Amino acid sequence: EPEVTQTPSHQVTQMGQEVILRCVPISNHLYFYWYRQILGQKVEFLVSFYNNEISEKSEIFDDQFSVERPDGSNFTLKIRSTKLEDSAMYFCASSESLPEADTQYFGPGTRLTVL
Amino acid sequence: KQEVTQIPAALSVPEGENLVLNCSFTDSAIYNLQWFRQDPGKGLTSLLLIQSSQREQTSGRLNASLDKSSGRSTLYIAASQPGDSATYLCAVNPNSGNTPLVFGKGTRLSVIA
Repeated sequence: EPEVTQTPSHQVTQMGQEVILRCVPISNHLYFYWYRQILGQKVEFLVSFYNNEISEKSEIFDDQFSVERPDGSNFTLKIRSTKLEDSAMYFCASSESLPEADTQYFGPGTRLTVL
Repeated sequence: KQEVTQIPAALSVPEGENLVLNCSFTDSAIYNLQWFRQDPGKGLTSLLLIQSSQREQTSGRLNASLDKSSGRSTLYIAASQPGDSATYLCAVNPNSGNTPLVFGKGTRLSVIA
């Protein structure tokens, strides 16, 4: 069964450093998403991406964040200058386009630790 | 703005007991609702998805119900097992399969052998 994959599974970085989290969505999906979950908190939406542009973003997704689809398979989330409060689990998800889309399929997550 | 609340935050039950987890949402105009399982430090495993036109869905020992008009869903787990121990998340899809999911904080379930 096709699945969303994410790398790395765990990333440790120093405050102020740039990180890139990588995701490979399900191959025939056209919508891509990033969510994050701070330890003990809710899963929160960050951004959705369709047709090579951001379709929706939350107030969390400020200028420190960017997303990119650098090739036909990868979808990346970049955090330019990490802060301690960026420490969280980051989930990538993908979905088909309407009208088939029922829900989003989630990857296993990348745990980001900012020291 | 859609808000999703899950009660209780934590639940501990002896093995074999039937249990109910609750989810409520503030805006009844939803597309569908989904229950996920999350093991500690792990990703999200989809358990059941209920379309807005449906009243319930069943998978094995799990049964999820939806009362859209009252903004409530329940997840019923029959004959609980220690392997059911995990956090259960409820997520509402407000508009379509391509709009952001809104999650509750989850119920942390412990099933004691």
